[in-house]
Amino acid sequence: EAGVVQSPRYKIIEKKQPVAFWCNPISGHNTLYWYRQNLGQGPELLIRYENEEAVDDSQLPKDRFSAERLKGVDSTLKIQPAELGDSAVYLCASSLTRTSTSTDTQYFGPGTRLTVL
Amino acid sequence: GENVEQHPSTLSVQEGDSAVIKCTYSDSASNYFPWYKQELGKRPQLIIDIRSNVGEKKDQRIAVTLNKTAKHFSLHITETQPEDSAVYFCAARKYIPGGATNKLIFGTGTLLAVQP
Repeated sequence: EAGVVQSPRYKIIEKKQPVAFWCNPISGHNTLYWYRQNLGQGPELLIRYENEEAVDDSQLPKDRFSAERLKGVDSTLKIQPAELGDSAVYLCASSLTRTSTSTDTQYFGPGTRLTVL
Repeated sequence: GENVEQHPSTLSVQEGDSAVIKCTYSDSASNYFPWYKQELGKRPQLIIDIRSNVGEKKDQRIAVTLNKTAKHFSLHITETQPEDSAVYFCAARKYIPGGATNKLIFGTGTLLAVQP
């Protein structure tokens, strides 16, 4: 099966510019996650969607970050305006969440490496 | 909230030797513990996971052990090969059916280098 797809793979922008990332999850996966991974660190969750509903956005800096998952499939993550500290890899993941199990495996996309100059 | 500590941050072994990576977690209610392997510039990939009702799980050269009392779990790789070289991340999650906080908390990663 096709994996999680993300684009672009790399993005270089100047500070204060907007940027958007796109994610297409594995077909049939109802849960979608956006993570940020700083160099030398593990991924940190920004937002989690179950279908089209954002059920956990507690770690999303809402003053500059926004996300949407229209129709419960593809998702976009936007930063406006970008700051130097936003440089990181932004990972998208998806899973098939079933309430009867606690082990819905998360499958990651290749990520978008953002560099803010 | 949950906190996951991972050690060591770097690990160098000779090909054929074993490698052990350890993680501790803070929330005793955590019940799911996956391990991910991330090669340079690539996506994290699940290599093995364990639930809290199991003490050990093995898959070929990879095994994970869980000590709920001590709140730590470990990844064991035997007969290491150069292609095992990567960054390994542990994670922990407290699963609540229908809950809004079913998120993975990752450790900081271990860079494993297998010397041929």
